[in-house]
Amino acid sequence: SAVISQKPSRDICQRGTSLTIQCQVDSQVTMMFWYRQQPGQSLTLIATANQGSEATYESGFVIDKFPISRPNLTFSTLTVSNMSPEDSSIYLCSFSRVSYNEQFFGPGTRLTVL
Amino acid sequence: LAKTTQPISMDSYEGQEVNITCSHNNIATNDYITWYQQFPSQGPRFIIQGYKTKVTNEVASLFIPADRKSSTLSLPRVSLSDTAVYYCLVGANPRGSTLGRLYFGRGTQLTVWP
Repeated sequence: SAVISQKPSRDICQRGTSLTIQCQVDSQVTMMFWYRQQPGQSLTLIATANQGSEATYESGFVIDKFPISRPNLTFSTLTVSNMSPEDSSIYLCSFSRVSYNEQFFGPGTRLTVL
Repeated sequence: LAKTTQPISMDSYEGQEVNITCSHNNIATNDYITWYQQFPSQGPRFIIQGYKTKVTNEVASLFIPADRKSSTLSLPRVSLSDTAVYYCLVGANPRGSTLGRLYFGRGTQLTVWP
């Protein structure tokens, strides 16, 4: 099965700065997704990262705040822009292949904003 | 959007069978029911998926009654390592196409005691 990794695994950032999180899959996949999991909470889907086109954002998430890139079938980035303490969370990427309901998740990036 | 309801927490002892029930009264005809497991500091892991009746794999069984308004995840002979959060998901999208979007509910924290 494919391996999915994220970088960085954790970071502590200052308010007002931006952080780009990288997600790498070791084989080509069609669908990639980004989620946020706030402390003690469930996962919330941010957007679907589409190769060759704009990402599709869920309600409550906008491209200016969470720009996403998907330059090829193995890689995606999520940027958290102009960060505030409310952005402190774990950010996870995932991918799916044949069955959309079966997704494989990365280990997550734990972000703390001071 | 099909909403799911599951117990917030459950306790069990090693060696027992655990059944976690999820309610999804508004499930749509095309929806599948999927269960994920999440350990602390890790991304969720796909366990099992089903549409109706019973599905079994090497990890768990999934029981779905004829009306599909609920489902039960059954974990045989749990061990301490099964302590995790278990999420029940129903694939649905207001625009009528799932397109791979997963919507996680609050999940059930299962704690297995020695």
